[in-house]
Amino acid sequence: DAKTTQPPSMDCAEGRAANLPCNHSTISGNEYVYWYRQIHSQGPQYIIHGLKNNETNEMASLIITEDRKSSTLILPHATLRDTAVYYCIVRGNTGNQFYFGTGTSLTVIP
Amino acid sequence: EPEVTQTPSHQVTQMGQEVILRCVPISNHLYFYWYRQILGQKVEFLVSFYNNEISEKSEIFDDQFSVERPDGSNFTLKIRSTKLEDSAMYFCASKEDLSTDTQYFGPGTRLTVL
Repeated sequence: DAKTTQPPSMDCAEGRAANLPCNHSTISGNEYVYWYRQIHSQGPQYIIHGLKNNETNEMASLIITEDRKSSTLILPHATLRDTAVYYCIVRGNTGNQFYFGTGTSLTVIP
Repeated sequence: EPEVTQTPSHQVTQMGQEVILRCVPISNHLYFYWYRQILGQKVEFLVSFYNNEISEKSEIFDDQFSVERPDGSNFTLKIRSTKLEDSAMYFCASKEDLSTDTQYFGPGTRLTVL
């Protein structure tokens, strides 16, 4: 699975959009980009995933660049409950395990 | 919405004792996983399980660990003789089938070994 690089921490004002970047320059053609988050030692929570098209669901939007070497997770209206560690994971559809890095610690500020 | 459940939420045990952590995966899921997270560290893969057998395991998953699906709903992780360094959060996860790679995680069991 390709390696990902995320900033260690970010702040976002409550009600504003949170844009979390992820670099995955070694991604290969059949690898998906997954986003999970972990709120204070709770179980990782699935947010969204995509291959090459932008994706949106009730939680977030995922923007993947045309060359697929980076992506951005967008939380459109951040709330205090979105304070968490966000993990960007790249993987093919063949492996068993998810490799969790250190992620981005997002703090939503009132 | 269906979810993965785990019991107990917190388990305290003495070093050398056996513990069994329990998970109920989402009912129609076929693939099951255990991960652990030592306090302040990354989430680490332990083992995956499919069709009543282990499909992959990490170096952490040594002979002290075992997994079992004793019935149609439970998925258990047993640690035979606990060590202090086994203290961690243990997360169970499940996924539906081969058509998807999305794993859904339970809330975790905090294991404290004294």
